[in-house]
Amino acid sequence: AQTVTQSQPEMSVQEAETVTLSCTYDTSENNYYLFWYKQPPSRQMILVIRQEAYKQQNATENRFSVNFQKAAKSFSLKISDSQLGDTAMYFCAFTPNNDMRFGAGTRLTVKP
Amino acid sequence: GAGVSQSPSNKVTEKGKDVELRCDPISGHTALYWYRQSLGQGLEFLIYFQGNSAPDKSGLPSDRFSAERTGGSVSTLTIQRTQQEDSAVYLCASSSTGFFGELFFGEGSRLTVL
Repeated sequence: AQTVTQSQPEMSVQEAETVTLSCTYDTSENNYYLFWYKQPPSRQMILVIRQEAYKQQNATENRFSVNFQKAAKSFSLKISDSQLGDTAMYFCAFTPNNDMRFGAGTRLTVKP
Repeated sequence: GAGVSQSPSNKVTEKGKDVELRCDPISGHTALYWYRQSLGQGLEFLIYFQGNSAPDKSGLPSDRFSAERTGGSVSTLTIQRTQQEDSAVYLCASSSTGFFGELFFGEGSRLTVL
């Protein structure tokens, strides 16, 4: 089965601190794409960062970066200098075939 | 509009009734997706339309669920004889590049079946 597991249902972090959200996945495919999506309380999902599985270099988008470990099938998201606006549900997703599979999400709260 | 638009934003219905949920994707996006998000759960893939190709219906949970996309644009998700377990937020997303690119999501339609 091709699944995505986010083992941290809820996390919190102090403003300006760094937090890492975990994600593991299971697939027999070699080529796929990995994503982190953010869903703020307003409900609209937006893309945070994307990683191609064939690229060894970890993707970075401003304060957001990933630690992609292909052999371990791990794809964690690091948020540096956390801001109050980062408070949201974060979903890990990947596309092993012709669909996109999402994890159950991690609810992140940034505390002032 | 500039984004993906979904209607209604909230729908309350009685068990056994049929409901229709509508999605207007971003203009020019060839790919359109429906997902279901239940409380405390991730997103469950339902169906995927790509251009003029036959849709990927592999995620539809039962034959009570169906979807169509007219003219390569607007899509309607229909749930017949609704059950309480159908209560969820139904999210639509569109993309110009398929699953390998960014999905743009609507705000969802929250369905409550009494």
